[in-house]
Amino acid sequence: GESVGLHLPTLSVQEGDNSIINCAYSNSASDYFIWYKQESGKGPQFIIDIRSNMDKRQGQRVTVLLNKTVKHLSLQIAATQPGDSAVYFCAERTQSGGSYIPTFGRGTSLIVHP
Amino acid sequence: DTGVSQNPRHKITKRGQNVTFRCDPISEHNRLYWYRQTLGQGPEFLTYFQNEAQLEKSRLLSDRFSAERPKGSFSTLEIQRTEQGDSAMYLCASSLVGTPMDPNTEAFFGQGTRLTVV
Repeated sequence: GESVGLHLPTLSVQEGDNSIINCAYSNSASDYFIWYKQESGKGPQFIIDIRSNMDKRQGQRVTVLLNKTVKHLSLQIAATQPGDSAVYFCAERTQSGGSYIPTFGRGTSLIVHP
Repeated sequence: DTGVSQNPRHKITKRGQNVTFRCDPISEHNRLYWYRQTLGQGPEFLTYFQNEAQLEKSRLLSDRFSAERPKGSFSTLEIQRTEQGDSAMYLCASSLVGTPMDPNTEAFFGQGTRLTVV
């Protein structure tokens, strides 16, 4: 089957370092990707999105890169802070019969050490 | 707070009992999604509504599960004859259908309802 998955389940970084969280997808029909941050006991929080006609998109301290050739997505967080500690999910959205339903991968736990 | 609201936040129930959860989406959002999330996993899609119409249901949504969105605003998710395997976080999300030029809009999630079946 086709799925969204993450390479690393846990990423530990020092405060101030840059973090890179990777995600592989296999559904070539996906045309929209979203990164979510989920803190313990809370619902996923939207971080940034990117359409398949783009390679890169930047937000505040975050950058998402999309490589459609190898079906790879990454989230870069600059100057990581303790408040960035959370589980990060990539989600792909594929049109199915006119519907767009986000499909999530397993997630990567980011741990930021002060 | 104008985000997605879910009630209750926590629910403990005995096996075999029925439970109902409520989701109030962001007011102008016409799409509403239900997901289930177990520990260490990403959210799994259950079903979604566009306005009051339930347009898609996952195979995860057994016949013990039913969702409604009667007036196209709030939604309820009911689980009948709960089983221990139903223990999970139930998440609701809403989004606004975009224009034909920009059909992709992100979904905003609520805080979830954590169900524990004992």
